[in-house]
Amino acid sequence: DPKIIQKPKYLVAVTGSEKILICEQYLGHNAMYWYRQSAKKPLEFMFSYSYQKLMDNQTASSRFQPQSSKKNHLDLQITALKPDDSATYFCASSQPGQGNERLFFGHGTKLSVL
Amino acid sequence: GEQVEQRPPHLSVREGDSAVITCTYTDPNSYYFFWYKQEPGASLQLLMKVFSSTEINEGQGFTVLLNKKDKRLSLNLTAAHPGDSAAYFCAVSDSGGSNYKLTFGKGTLLTVTP
Repeated sequence: DPKIIQKPKYLVAVTGSEKILICEQYLGHNAMYWYRQSAKKPLEFMFSYSYQKLMDNQTASSRFQPQSSKKNHLDLQITALKPDDSATYFCASSQPGQGNERLFFGHGTKLSVL
Repeated sequence: GEQVEQRPPHLSVREGDSAVITCTYTDPNSYYFFWYKQEPGASLQLLMKVFSSTEINEGQGFTVLLNKKDKRLSLNLTAAHPGDSAAYFCAVSDSGGSNYKLTFGKGTLLTVTP
């Protein structure tokens, strides 16, 4: 029973288009994140949000915009898609302040840009 | 910034054998260390979170060793079984001690044959 739901699981897009990756978590966590895993590259941290506020941004391109409409939602809007954006995007969450704080990951959305 | 190198990228062992995966990192001030397991089609599951103060960490069926002098983290599956077949990722937190901005290794695909 997944507690972090990412939609869709697979996504195909054409170059130049715009897509939104959905993430909802039902763990009651106050912090959410996006990571990206490109082919032949390790998982890379992109964004962190805490209480719906952006805390950290390691993504150089403004084409990537997180959107948090509710505390347990952190969607990722990607505009002007490029083939290099093809990757699996993982959403994660955690509860800050706990001594044993850890990241919980979703199953990922695999994005292919043609 | 922090760099993490993980080896080997692929590892095949027989059931009952041990399997060792090693990561080296560059930031001597790194604070938290993680091992994640990812089964096909599933999300990343945390195997163990290690604090910089603990060198030997015992889990169920595995041991995690941290050698701060050599900046090396290893995962030793003591008697592998087919259910251990998965991708394994090490991760290191930044020197600020955050639990969320992790630098990952590229992963090791472990296959355990009966």
